[in-house]
Amino acid sequence: GNSVTQMEGPVTLSEEAFLTINCTYTATGYPSLFWYVQYPGEGLQLLLKATKADDKGSNKGFEATYRKETTSFHLEKGSVQVSDSAVYFCALSLIQGAQKLVFGQGTRLTINP
Amino acid sequence: GAGVSQSPSNKVTEKGKDVELRCDPISGHTALYWYRQSLGQGLEFLIYFQGNSAPDKSGLPSDRFSAERTGGSVSTLTIQRTQQEDSAVYLCASSPRLATADTQYFGPGTRLTVL
Repeated sequence: GNSVTQMEGPVTLSEEAFLTINCTYTATGYPSLFWYVQYPGEGLQLLLKATKADDKGSNKGFEATYRKETTSFHLEKGSVQVSDSAVYFCALSLIQGAQKLVFGQGTRLTINP
Repeated sequence: GAGVSQSPSNKVTEKGKDVELRCDPISGHTALYWYRQSLGQGLEFLIYFQGNSAPDKSGLPSDRFSAERTGGSVSTLTIQRTQQEDSAVYLCASSPRLATADTQYFGPGTRLTVL
């Protein structure tokens, strides 16, 4: 079946540290890949996406590259801020019977000043 | 413009009662989705609509769950004879089309607590 596996949290970093959150997927077709973020007390919102192999999604200093050969979509940021503290979800989208997002389990990130 | 809205934001009910959760998608979005977020199960897909039609209902957890969409807009998720395991945050999302590359825009959710 289709699934997403994320690096387990929680992750705690100091401000200005480098961030990587690993995400790998299993899919029987050619999915689109997404990172969604949930800030404290807020709803899920799209952070970035990539719709085909080798595409790089980027937003707010975050980047992720769609790697078909390693079935990965790792999230990176060069210098994190306290305001990046949130839960991050990797997800894939496929039309196979049902059009839906399949989410990873989420990674809670805390940035300390 | 206005985003996806959901009501109520919080619902506390007693076991065995029926509840209705409402979703107003972004105007013009043809696709609408329901998900559930719970501590034990993470984020799980429930059902999607293309227009007013729900082609696949296999994601609904049991036959106590049903959903409808009218006028290509508002959707209602109904849970009959609620159980404690139904406690979760129910999320609605919409997208312009039914396409894998389209972004799904999420509402703030309805937190359901079954006592």
